[in-house]
Amino acid sequence: SQQGEEDPQALSIQEGENATMNCSYKTSINNLQWYRQNSGRGLVHLILIRSNEREKHSGRLRVTLDTSKKSSSLLITASRAADTASYFCATVLPIYNQGGKLIFGQGTELSVKP
Amino acid sequence: EAQVTQNPRYLITVTGKKLTVTCSQNMNHEYMSWYRQDPGLGLRQIYYSMNVEVTDKGDVPEGYKVSRKEKRNFPLILESPSPNQTSLYFCASSFGRANQPQHFGDGTRLSIL
Repeated sequence: SQQGEEDPQALSIQEGENATMNCSYKTSINNLQWYRQNSGRGLVHLILIRSNEREKHSGRLRVTLDTSKKSSSLLITASRAADTASYFCATVLPIYNQGGKLIFGQGTELSVKP
Repeated sequence: EAQVTQNPRYLITVTGKKLTVTCSQNMNHEYMSWYRQDPGLGLRQIYYSMNVEVTDKGDVPEGYKVSRKEKRNFPLILESPSPNQTSLYFCASSFGRANQPQHFGDGTRLSIL
């Protein structure tokens, strides 16, 4: 089964609200990354959090990592219609394991209504 | 502009007709990889390359070939395409290894009839 699994699969909110997406994984990681994919486009890297970090911020994005629970969350504050996209977590295996293999979850589809 | 360029963006072809999807990056990245994206299955890695002349299988390599003769290029070859290879394909690259932020191309939508 997938290393990274996102929850929920789909999320619909109003503009201005916060959006929270969760990611769970199964094995030890080197780091965890979040990506955004607009419809029909390639993935865009949002934020990377290392296994020894607990929280990271970038603009309106806040990512947390709990290695004891093997989970991460992505919070988008004050959402905008332009945030409508699919969001993926990608867990990175340790370097000794296949050079740090990147494994994607199935994504959360976020819809922000104006 | 830093980018990963894939060609073609769209292709409809028939079973058994060899095809190549090109991928080129202008960022001098060592690591390059190919993924396919299918509904309900997410992104799955096909092949990756840690540097020139170094390639290795990902999770779903069957039916695909790659080569890395130059640092900037990483073509994906389907020698005898079949309908189950109909998918959305992405090339990605990064400095170092897979644990670095990946830069993705805009994707190639392949339909094999």
